[in-house]
Amino acid sequence: NAGVTQTPKFQVLKTGQSMTLQCAQDMNHEYMSWYRQDPGMGLRLIHYSVGAGITDQGEVPNGYNVSRSTTEDFPLRLLSAAPSQTSVYFCASSYFSGRPVEQFFGPGTRLTVL
Amino acid sequence: ILNVEQSPQSLHVQEGDSTNFTCSFPSSNFYALHWYRWETAKSPEALFVMTLNGDEKKKGRISATLNTKEGYSYLYIKGSQPEDSATYLCACYSGAGSYQLTFGKGTKLSVIP
Repeated sequence: NAGVTQTPKFQVLKTGQSMTLQCAQDMNHEYMSWYRQDPGMGLRLIHYSVGAGITDQGEVPNGYNVSRSTTEDFPLRLLSAAPSQTSVYFCASSYFSGRPVEQFFGPGTRLTVL
Repeated sequence: ILNVEQSPQSLHVQEGDSTNFTCSFPSSNFYALHWYRWETAKSPEALFVMTLNGDEKKKGRISATLNTKEGYSYLYIKGSQPEDSATYLCACYSGAGSYQLTFGKGTKLSVIP
């Protein structure tokens, strides 16, 4: 199993550009989520999904869109990048069985917005 | 938004020392708590998921306890080794049926050989 994969590993954007951060998992996990990690802030939830076709907002959703058309993939879209979105982005997944279980994290994408 | 606090923010210990740190969370409407270990340049990896008051979990030299009535969890590392150097994160759900994990800012542990 590859686990949770994220692409790209690094990305530099100019203000106003758009891009999609890719996340895929091969563990048949229903639950997937996106976090951003900023110095001194810890991990903050952006969006999450409990299954294909179902998404919801987390703590810091503004400026980001998500969709979940398949169980495996959960892309994160930045429609018009801003310097405040410079961060490290982590995707995570887990089973969704009605009881809390550990999350598996991807390797992260380091994004810089100039 | 849940307030999950971890202390200390960082600590340095000598190899062989035992150490512990704290995660504090609101005791009302508790559902579950996670501990993760995050090594530099890697991704967070789960250590424990804890749900019941009085829970104790152990993995090798690392153990954790949970007190949901007073809203805290301790993580203990016995006989610290340099490979234990990492940031340790705790995270809580905001209640039963919540799907949102709120993370603390972490405790960064450095073990000096």
